[in-house]
Amino acid sequence: GQSLEQPSEVTAVEGAIVQINCTYQTSGFYGLSWYQQHDGGAPTFLSYNALDGLEETGRFSSFLSRSDSYGYLLLQELQMKDSASYFCAVREASNTGKLIFGQGTTLQVKP
Amino acid sequence: GAGVSQSPSNKVTEKGKDVELRCDPISGHTALYWYRQSLGQGLEFLIYFQGNSAPDKSGLPSDRFSAERTGGSVSTLTIQRTQQEDSAVYLCASSFRDRAKNIQYFGAGTRLSVL
Repeated sequence: GQSLEQPSEVTAVEGAIVQINCTYQTSGFYGLSWYQQHDGGAPTFLSYNALDGLEETGRFSSFLSRSDSYGYLLLQELQMKDSASYFCAVREASNTGKLIFGQGTTLQVKP
Repeated sequence: GAGVSQSPSNKVTEKGKDVELRCDPISGHTALYWYRQSLGQGLEFLIYFQGNSAPDKSGLPSDRFSAERTGGSVSTLTIQRTQQEDSAVYLCASSFRDRAKNIQYFGAGTRLSVL
C-alpha cells in the first residue's frame, strides 16, 4: 500500500520562506503532487513532480527525490492568503490516475 | 469558466436514511473521482469513473455505498442506511486522465452530517 507523512502544522511569518516535507512509502507511483485547500474550500492543484529535482511555479516550488522517498513544497515570500492546508499526494502507478493523499499540513501565516 | 459543481453543499440526515450526492464535472473531462474527507484529515479515495464505467471501486467502504455516472458527465454517489461514521465532506474531482500530470479539479464538496 501507499502511505504519506507530513507535519500536521507549520507556522511562519509574512514574507518568510517555509518548507513542508512529505515522506512516503509506496510500491510505485508516477509522480508527486501538491494541493492547497483553504478552510471549507475545494483542493486546488499547485505543483507536480514526475522526475527528481525542483519544479518552480512563481512563489511555489516543489522537489522530489525518489531515492530518498521524499519531497517538499517550498513557499516563498509568504502572504496571509497562503494560510491553508497543503496536501502531498502520489499518483498511483495504475491506469486509474487516482491520488493517495497525505493527512495534510496546516500552514498558519502570521503578520 | 464552469468548474466542478457539487450539490447539495450541505446535507443533514438522520441515521438510517438514504442520501444522494451529485457531481457535475468540467465539460469534456473523461475521468471522475469521488473522495471523502473527515474533519482535519486527508482525502480518502472512494471510486474512479472513466466515461460511464467504474474500473476502480476499491475505496468504497461498504456495500451501502454506490455510485453511477451517466452520459459521461454527471455522477451520483448514494449512501444507503446512513451511519454516523459516514459524516464527512464528500469531494468530487474530474480530469483529463490521459494527460501526464492528471491534474484533478475539485468541487467544493458536500458536507454530510448524520445525526
